[in-house]
Amino acid sequence: SSELTQDPAVSVALGQTVRITCQGDSLRSYSASWYQQKPGQAPVLVIYGKNNRPSGIPDRFSGSSSGNTASLTITGAQAEDEADYYCNSRDSSGKGVFGGGTKLTVL
Amino acid sequence: QVQLQQWGAGLLKPSETLSLTCAVYGGSFSGYYWSWIRQPPGKGLEWIGEINHSGSTNYNPSLKSRVTISVDTSKNQFSLKLSSVTAADTAVYYCARGQWDYYDSSGYGRYYYYYMDVWGKGTTVTVSS
Repeated sequence: SSELTQDPAVSVALGQTVRITCQGDSLRSYSASWYQQKPGQAPVLVIYGKNNRPSGIPDRFSGSSSGNTASLTITGAQAEDEADYYCNSRDSSGKGVFGGGTKLTVL
Repeated sequence: QVQLQQWGAGLLKPSETLSLTCAVYGGSFSGYYWSWIRQPPGKGLEWIGEINHSGSTNYNPSLKSRVTISVDTSKNQFSLKLSSVTAADTAVYYCARGQWDYYDSSGYGRYYYYYMDVWGKGTTVTVSS
């Protein structure tokens, strides 16, 4: 079982704001990174560190953290944002761990 | 622009050893952690393990007894071997480049973070008799 917990599915109306969360005790020590995965494609890094976006990731993607919860926020969701989103961090022993993933549907 | 190209056998029989290699093109090999991640059909991502350029490894405890990750710095390549495979090892296997960094949060100390910014395209591995 994953030590990072995500809601399995979230939906958002086109143009609205959605928050995807990731919970785990290790997030008090290690910041999460977030990955977007579309069907048949490799994951793509969208947020890392305090709130950093790799080159080419739209600024509607942002990240935040509080206590044992990390959040990925999409402000003004677009149809192309429909995808699976995974958080990743380290567990208490320093091993890598992924959340179970959140399927985002844009209505 | 760094690219990862991965290859390996796509069809295995139970009890055989999975072997995949990932080559790094267009960037430095040192200073990073080189990871393997897999994704069973219809399921989420699973971290398998990682290695740095000097050969220091870190494995998922659930796979540790069967996994070996190695590095060939002369070729800028790293490899995954997973022994005694079963149908449960059927998955898409990805290689990725990872790195550590940190930021200081006022009043809360230093937060370390790890991220994987470059990924291979994935290799589908099927285990079937």
